[in-house]
Amino acid sequence: KNQVEQSPQSLIILEGKNCTLQCNYTVSPFSNLRWYKQDTGRGPVSLTIMTFSENTKSNGRYTATLDADTKQSSLHITASQLSDSASYICVVSARMDSSYKLIFGSGTRLLVRP
Amino acid sequence: EAQVTQNPRYLITVTGKKLTVTCSQNMNHEYMSWYRQDPGLGLRQIYYSMNVEVTDKGDVPEGYKVSRKEKRNFPLILESPSPNQTSLYFCASSLQHSGANVLTFGAGSRLTVL
Repeated sequence: KNQVEQSPQSLIILEGKNCTLQCNYTVSPFSNLRWYKQDTGRGPVSLTIMTFSENTKSNGRYTATLDADTKQSSLHITASQLSDSASYICVVSARMDSSYKLIFGSGTRLLVRP
Repeated sequence: EAQVTQNPRYLITVTGKKLTVTCSQNMNHEYMSWYRQDPGLGLRQIYYSMNVEVTDKGDVPEGYKVSRKEKRNFPLILESPSPNQTSLYFCASSLQHSGANVLTFGAGSRLTVL
């Protein structure tokens, strides 16, 4: 069964600290993995997209890693800011015949405190 | 500004009273999709459309209808809403439904069915 599991479910950190969010998946055949940021009351916004051959991709203070062998990804946030408070959703795309299927994780809710 | 617009953003209704949630995009995207988001669960796909007049069921289509008569609009119809359809709904679009295309999400529509 295609699944995406994220951990932790929620996380509280102090402003300026770093943190790492985890995503494990059992999706096959794998096409790509995306991280989205969802602010409260808003729709998700794409942060990164990674294909099978990419190990690391950065977007400002956000760095995503992918280990296709162990089927794990992480999102590292450096020098956190209050505006980083949001839910972070891991989405894995599976190739299905001539189309694609997106499997969404349930997200990690991050709260950055002053 | 390139965006996906949903209306209404908030709605409280009663069981059995038909309602429509509108979705419009101004990016000339071919692919559009509806999702629902419930606490503790990942986004689940309700219906999607690869192009005008082409729609198909997602993972949780029961109780919903859609139409795609023109490229920019993809309304979600609840013919006879029930309390289990209380949820946060997102419309999303992408240029095409390919492995690399990133979804652009609307701001969400919070629906409560009493």
